[in-house]
Amino acid sequence: DTAVSQTPKYLVTQMGNDKSIKCEQNLGHDTMYWYKQDSKKFLKIMFSYNNKELIINETVPNRFSPKSPDKAHLNLHINSLELGDSAVYFCASSQEDSYGYTFGSGTRLTVV
Amino acid sequence: AQKVTQAQTEISVVEKEDVTLDCVYETRDTTYYLFWYKQPPSGELVFLIRRNSFDEQNEISGRYSWNFQKSTSSFNFTITASQVVDSAVYFCALSGSSNTGKLIFGQGTTLQVKP
Repeated sequence: DTAVSQTPKYLVTQMGNDKSIKCEQNLGHDTMYWYKQDSKKFLKIMFSYNNKELIINETVPNRFSPKSPDKAHLNLHINSLELGDSAVYFCASSQEDSYGYTFGSGTRLTVV
Repeated sequence: AQKVTQAQTEISVVEKEDVTLDCVYETRDTTYYLFWYKQPPSGELVFLIRRNSFDEQNEISGRYSWNFQKSTSSFNFTITASQVVDSAVYFCALSGSSNTGKLIFGQGTTLQVKP
C-alpha cells in the first residue's frame, strides 16, 4: 500500500484552466503539506494542515487553495492556471513536527 | 531566519570514488532537525536520514555516512565507493522548533556517477 499517494502523476493543461491535485495518506499522520519544486529543482513549502486546520500558508497566490476534508486528505485546487505554475507538486505527511516526513511521488503540472 | 546552503551544484565522479556532499545550515533554534533526501531521475523524494540537534554522533549506513558538526553548522554526507545507482539530486533540509514543522531545503546537489 502506498503511504502517501497523489493523483494525477502528470497533468497537462491550458492557461486559464482550473485543476485539482489530490493527496491521501494512510499513515495516520496528523500533518500534511504541499511543496512545490520548480524547474531548477528548488523545493519550497506552500501549505501545511494539522488535523484539517491550516497552519502554514506561505506567500502563495490566492489562485492556490488547499482543502482538507479530513486529516488523511489534502487536496490542492489551482484556479486560472498560468505558465509559471508549471512545476512538480509534492504532497507530504508527518506524525509530529519534524519527526519524519513521507513524500508522495509528485505531480508534474505542465501549463501550455 | 533559517537557511540551508548546498554550495555544490553539480558533482561528477567515476564509479568507486568516494564523494562528500556539503551542507551548511543557519538557525537560531536550539532544537532542530536535519535531513537528507535523495531524488533519483524517477523523481520521487527518498528519505535518507534525520538527525536532531542534540545528537552529534556520526552515522553510518552501508556506504553512506553523515558528519554532523554543530560548531561549523554543517551536516555533510559521504558516499563511499560510489555506484552508478547513486546518481541523483541530493537535498539537505532543516526543520526548526520555531517553524511549525516545515522543511527548509537546500538548493540540491546533482551527483553524477560515471561507470
